Amino acid sequence: GAVVSQHPSWVICKSGTSVKIECRSLDFQATTMFWYRQFPKQSLMLMATSNEGSKATYEQGVEKDKFLINHASLTLSTLTVTSAHPEDSSFYICSVTGQMNTEAFFGQGTRLTVV
Amino acid sequence: GENVEQHPSTLSVQEGDSAVIKCTYSDSASNYFPWYKQELGKRPQLIIDIRSNVGEKKDQRIAVTLNKTAKHFSLHITETQPEDSAVYFCAANTGFQKLVFGTGTRLLVSP
Repeated sequence: GAVVSQHPSWVICKSGTSVKIECRSLDFQATTMFWYRQFPKQSLMLMATSNEGSKATYEQGVEKDKFLINHASLTLSTLTVTSAHPEDSSFYICSVTGQMNTEAFFGQGTRLTVV
Repeated sequence: GENVEQHPSTLSVQEGDSAVIKCTYSDSASNYFPWYKQELGKRPQLIIDIRSNVGEKKDQRIAVTLNKTAKHFSLHITETQPEDSAVYFCAANTGFQKLVFGTGTRLLVSP
């Protein structure tokens, strides 16, 4: 399977500031990565599909100007939460699809707390 | 788009009992159905998956069954152990490499 590393594992920021989360595919090149958000005791909700070298594709209801995604290389995608507010506090987790084009392998997640 | 429903939301069993979690999906084009186990504060871990050309798959104490006609699939855990306690998510694929997740089942195995 794929090895996915996400950084940071947790972050606390003040309202109005921006936070960048990195997702790295360590052992194979990923043209596509996915970003999910998980609120406490809830399921994983897909936010966007990160495409290497092109614009991300956002799911309905996700503000693309608030959640900026950059996928500049085959091993790195970043999610920037801009002008963060307390309601953005959540567990953000990225995934990479394995070489069989089906299995999803997840990063360890980033717990964002906005105060 | 794909919609995945999962039941029950919570499941309590005694150690050694079996546990069954059920999911239904809506998109007949879905052909890949994984199950993930997530412990508190950690990443989901793939425990078993099944593709649409197979009706059942087993891996030691874990099995998954798929009924394509009815569009439902189930996770079966036998001889449950306390370390099986976690949240379990089913999922179905949709579009290119995308997964849609069920709402999760919190399994509690009491010693």
